[in-house]
Amino acid sequence: GAGVSQSPSNKVTEKGKDVELRCDPISGHTALYWYRQSLGQGLEFLIYFQGNSAPDKSGLPSDRFSAERTGGSVSTLTIQRTQQEDSAVYLCASSFQGTGAYSNQPQHFGDGTRLSIL
Amino acid sequence: DQQVKQNSPSLSVQEGRISILNCDYTNSMFDYFLWYKKYPAEGPTFLISISSIKDKNEDGRFTVFLNKSAKHLSLHIVPSQPGDSAVYFCAASGKTSYDKVIFGPGTSLSVIP
Repeated sequence: GAGVSQSPSNKVTEKGKDVELRCDPISGHTALYWYRQSLGQGLEFLIYFQGNSAPDKSGLPSDRFSAERTGGSVSTLTIQRTQQEDSAVYLCASSFQGTGAYSNQPQHFGDGTRLSIL
Repeated sequence: DQQVKQNSPSLSVQEGRISILNCDYTNSMFDYFLWYKKYPAEGPTFLISISSIKDKNEDGRFTVFLNKSAKHLSLHIVPSQPGDSAVYFCAASGKTSYDKVIFGPGTSLSVIP
């Protein structure tokens, strides 16, 4: 079946512009994550949607960053007034959400959106 | 403060030898641990996992060892192959799938033919 799909794969924009990044998770996956990987760095957690619960936004670096997940499926990450330090690869992942202890399931990642701010 | 640490940014191993990648964590609430592999320009892919009720999990050439008292886990790859050259991320979460997954900074493995 189809994996996690992210679009666009590459985005180049000028400083100060707003950008929207899209993630289509695997059908049936109720958990969705956004991560950021800057050059030479690890995966930085941004936001986590889990079913119908309020999202965990604790990783968003500033109020210029926001994300939505409509209908429990597609998610959009929006960065307003982009800055050069926002340049990174933005990765989306989804997983099936089981119930009970040790119900964890591994995440499936998209190939990311490479964002370059000029 | 990093909750999941991979103190070796890179590792080189000869083909056919064992690769050992290490990971340490600080949060005693972590109960589920995973390893992911990432090639350039691709998203990470799941490799192997272990829950805290075990101390070892094996899948083919890949074995993960967990030492809860030391808050340490390791990934063993044997024998190492050139196609194993990638960045390996250690990740950890709480007991249920409702718990957030935290990733380490990664270790870049190079397997030399």
